[in-house]
Amino acid sequence: KNQVEQSPQSLIILEGKNCTLQCNYTVSPFSNLRWYKQDTGRGPVSLTIMTFSENTKSNGRYTATLDADTKQSSLHITASQLSDSASYICVVPSNTGNQFYFGTGTSLTVIP
Amino acid sequence: EPEVTQTPSHQVTQMGQEVILRCVPISNHLYFYWYRQILGQKVEFLVSFYNNEISEKSEIFDDQFSVERPDGSNFTLKIRSTKLEDSAMYFCASLRLAGASYNEQFFGPGTRLTVL
Repeated sequence: KNQVEQSPQSLIILEGKNCTLQCNYTVSPFSNLRWYKQDTGRGPVSLTIMTFSENTKSNGRYTATLDADTKQSSLHITASQLSDSASYICVVPSNTGNQFYFGTGTSLTVIP
Repeated sequence: EPEVTQTPSHQVTQMGQEVILRCVPISNHLYFYWYRQILGQKVEFLVSFYNNEISEKSEIFDDQFSVERPDGSNFTLKIRSTKLEDSAMYFCASLRLAGASYNEQFFGPGTRLTVL
């Protein structure tokens, strides 16, 4: 069964600190993995797309890693800001792109 | 910057009524999607649409649901007879063709549907 699982479910960190969010997937065949940021009451916004050949990809303070062998990905946020408070969702599409499998998300709260 | 738009932002309806949720995808995009998110739960895929027909649909997308692209710009989701459990945030998304699964998917701001 195609599934995407994330941990932790929620996380509270102090402003300025780093954190790492985890994603495990069983979607097969695999083509790419996406990380989205979703603010409360808003649509998800793409942070990064990683193909099976990419191990690390950065987008500003966000760095995503992918291990296609173990089917794991992580999203590392450095020097967190209050505006980073949101839900971070790991998403893996089917190889046709007709369906996207969403994780349950990690709710991140950054406190001053 | 082009964006996906959705209307209305909030719809309140009585159980058993029909609702139509509207989306305007980004103009040069050819793949369209509807998702729902029940409060506090994860985003769930409903249906994908390409070349004026459904590409794939989930178990959630039963006979009560239908999608349409009536005029080349709007993309609609119709729920024929709403149930209490249809209360959720509904998101529309689109992406370009050409290796669709590698393209970035853009989401609209969502329509919050409340069924009373």
